[in-house]
Amino acid sequence: EDQVTQSPEALRLQEGESSSLNCSYTVSGLRGLFWYRQDPGKGPEFLFTLYSAGEEKEKERLKATLTKKESFLHITAPKPEDSATYLCAVHRFTGTYKYIFGTGTRLKVLA
Amino acid sequence: SAVISQKPSRDICQRGTSLTIQCQVDSQVTMMFWYRQQPGQSLTLIATANQGSEATYESGFVIDKFPISRPNLTFSTLTVSNMSPEDSSIYLCSAQTRGTNTEAFFGQGTRLTVV
Repeated sequence: EDQVTQSPEALRLQEGESSSLNCSYTVSGLRGLFWYRQDPGKGPEFLFTLYSAGEEKEKERLKATLTKKESFLHITAPKPEDSATYLCAVHRFTGTYKYIFGTGTRLKVLA
Repeated sequence: SAVISQKPSRDICQRGTSLTIQCQVDSQVTMMFWYRQQPGQSLTLIATANQGSEATYESGFVIDKFPISRPNLTFSTLTVSNMSPEDSSIYLCSAQTRGTNTEAFFGQGTRLTVV
């Protein structure tokens, strides 16, 4: 069964304290892995797409990496404005296209 | 990327009534998706809407309860029918743009409260 698991569920960091969020997956027909940021009361905001193992993408303080079984979202020297829920999703095709979302990591960065 | 406008942004409805949520995309898109998100939880796919064909519903969701229209490549609606308090949730519209990229973009969501 297709499954996407994110850890930790919640993370509190001091400003400047770097850390990583994990997204592990078991999916057949994987076409891509995505990271989204979601602020309270808003829809998910697209951050990155990763298509193959070994691929890396960077945007400001965020860096996403992908292996055959998991992805990491590294946050370097976070700021309070990085506080949000970070969602991982996989896009798979097995006759039909479908996105499967993880349960998210709620990140709180303290000043 | 695509900009997705969703209306209404929030509503409070009486049980037994129906609400139609509209989703407008600023460019033509191949696939549109409707999700439900309970507070503090992740996204649950309700159905996939392709232009010119019937929507494909996920397990646990039926057309009579959540009828969907997709009249063209930039617009879709989701109706929540015969509502009960259990339907209170955030409903999100999403679209996958055309081309080689497969990322999906989201509207801001509709926060529905059924009383």
